[in-house]
This record gives sequence, structure tokens and C-alpha cells, in this order.
Amino acid sequence: KQEVTQIPAALSVPEGENLVLNCSFTDSAIYNLQWFRQDPGKGLTSLLLIQSSQREQTSGRLNASLDKSSGRSTLYIAASQPGDSATYLCAPYTNAGKSTFGDGTTLTVKP
Amino acid sequence: GAVVSQHPSWVICKSGTSVKIECRSLDFQATTMFWYRQFPKQSLMLMATSNEGSKATYEQGVEKDKFLINHASLTLSTLTVTSAHPEDSSFYICSARAGTGYSNQPQHFGDGTRLSIL
Repeated sequence: KQEVTQIPAALSVPEGENLVLNCSFTDSAIYNLQWFRQDPGKGLTSLLLIQSSQREQTSGRLNASLDKSSGRSTLYIAASQPGDSATYLCAPYTNAGKSTFGDGTTLTVKP
Repeated sequence: GAVVSQHPSWVICKSGTSVKIECRSLDFQATTMFWYRQFPKQSLMLMATSNEGSKATYEQGVEKDKFLINHASLTLSTLTVTSAHPEDSSFYICSARAGTGYSNQPQHFGDGTRLSIL
């Protein structure tokens, strides 16, 4: 059974800082891994999708890396802004045909 | 980008009522749809996976007769909470994925439905 751990559980930083969110998973037989953000009371917004054959993906100020063999992924956020405040979730997708979600990292970016 | 529409966004009803939640993929064909439940300050718990035209696959501990899932077309899946009780109150979120088999397509989510049973 896939288990996903996200560290830290919560993070509070001043605006402008670069930061790294960590995700680890126990079953490395994944097809892809997706990073999402969730705002309070809302659904999930897809940020980045990394295929199992890829090492990283970039979208604007976001960069996600994947080390499949060690079961780790990181989400790097450059020059953080108050609008980045949300809960960030990672979800590896395995051959069980479903994604498993971590508990998320709740990010607060202070102006 | 791909859009998933979920309705209603908020439901308040009396105990014993059945509630239907709709999930639609607006601009792509969703071969597979997923239904999740989320409790406050917790992550998403997968309830069931549905593939168009076939019966849903429920996760362990999820009552099939309680949570009826229908995925009759490539753009619509419904979740019906039958004879809802206060303990069914939760945030329900659907998601959809294009492609077949072990698709490498991303998963797209609706905005969720807040269900409150009085």
C-alpha cells in the first residue's frame, strides 16, 4: 500500500523567500506524480505533473523534481508571494490505478 | 485547461434525504472519474473509482449501497448519498482523468461539494 509523507506539515515565510516542499512515497512503481494546491474550502488545482521518466518539470516560479528510485519529490517555489498561501499536496499515481495523497504542507506567505 | 464542474457546491438537508452530486468534465472526455471525501484539516480519502460504462470500484470500508456512483457517459459521473445522516456530512470532491488504462494524463478536480446533514 502506497504511503505518502509530506514535510513540513506547515510553513510560514516572509514574502520573497524561496522555499522547498518535500514529498516521499513508499512504492516507487509510479506512473507519474502530480502536485496540487488547495485553497480553503475549495477543490484541488493541478500545478505540475511529472511523468515517471522525467526528473523535473517547471511552470513559472514552480519547479518540481522527481527521484523515483528513492521515492522522493520536491516542489520548489521561487520568490514566494502572499497569493501562494495554500495547502500543497503531492500525489503519486501507481499501477493500482489510483493516486495516493499526502496530508499536505500548509504554506503561509506573509506580506 | 481541462475543467471539471461539480454541482451543487453546498447542500444542507434533513436526515434521511438522498442527495445527488454531479461531476462533469467540460472540455475533455473523462474515461475515469474519482470520488473523494475530505474531513476538516485532513487529506483526501478516495471513496471509489468509476470507469465509463462499468461499475465503480469502491475502496475498503466504503458502503456501496450508501454511496451510489454512476458514470453513464464520458463527461458525467454522479454520486448519490442515500438516506444521508449527520455522520455523512463532509466535503466531497470529484476528479476526472482522460485516457484509458493506466493513463499518464493529469487528474483534474472539481471545486467540491460541502454536504451538511441536519
